[in-house]
Amino acid sequence: GAVVSQHPSWVICKSGTSVKIECRSLDFQATTMFWYRQFPKQSLMLMATSNEGSKATYEQGVEKDKFLINHASLTLSTLTVTSAHPEDSSFYICSARDRGAGGELFFGEGSRLTVL
Amino acid sequence: DAKTTQPPSMDCAEGRAANLPCNHSTISGNEYVYWYRQIHSQGPQYIIHGLKNNETNEMASLIITEDRKSSTLILPHATLRDTAVYYCIVRKNTGNQFYFGTGTSLTVIP
Repeated sequence: GAVVSQHPSWVICKSGTSVKIECRSLDFQATTMFWYRQFPKQSLMLMATSNEGSKATYEQGVEKDKFLINHASLTLSTLTVTSAHPEDSSFYICSARDRGAGGELFFGEGSRLTVL
Repeated sequence: DAKTTQPPSMDCAEGRAANLPCNHSTISGNEYVYWYRQIHSQGPQYIIHGLKNNETNEMASLIITEDRKSSTLILPHATLRDTAVYYCIVRKNTGNQFYFGTGTSLTVIP
């Protein structure tokens, strides 16, 4: 299957700082990427849909000014958690759909954020 | 997209078939059934998807009932590495977002 890579796989930061997570589709072009958040023992929650060359679409209840999403190219989307607080500690997962494939999404390995 | 209902947990003996059910009674005609699994602390992995015909690939088989209101994912010979949370998702193939339910936590027992 297609490969989606995230970086970093884990990050620890101090409260009040900003953290950027990258999501790359390695062997296909993705006009749309998706960002999910997962708390311990819970399911994945869709945060936003990232569209190449346009503004992201956020799910209800997700603060767009806190979770900045940029999708500058067909292979890269970034999520920046601004002014992070301990409650933002979570597992962040991106996914992308190969625009030439059958509709399935391919997921990155996830990025674990811990805010101290 | 239609909602899905799955049992929260299941056990399966190693080497036996694991049959994971999913109820999607409100599915509409153009919605597909997708299955993903998530091994602890990793991103979800695509398994299989189908519309109305049964599907099989190297990982699993998907059996969809004739009225399409439910489906079963079959792992023919479960191994310890199949221990994971399995998610059944219903989505239009041309639609964008995947919304995850609570899934089924499958434990394969030696």
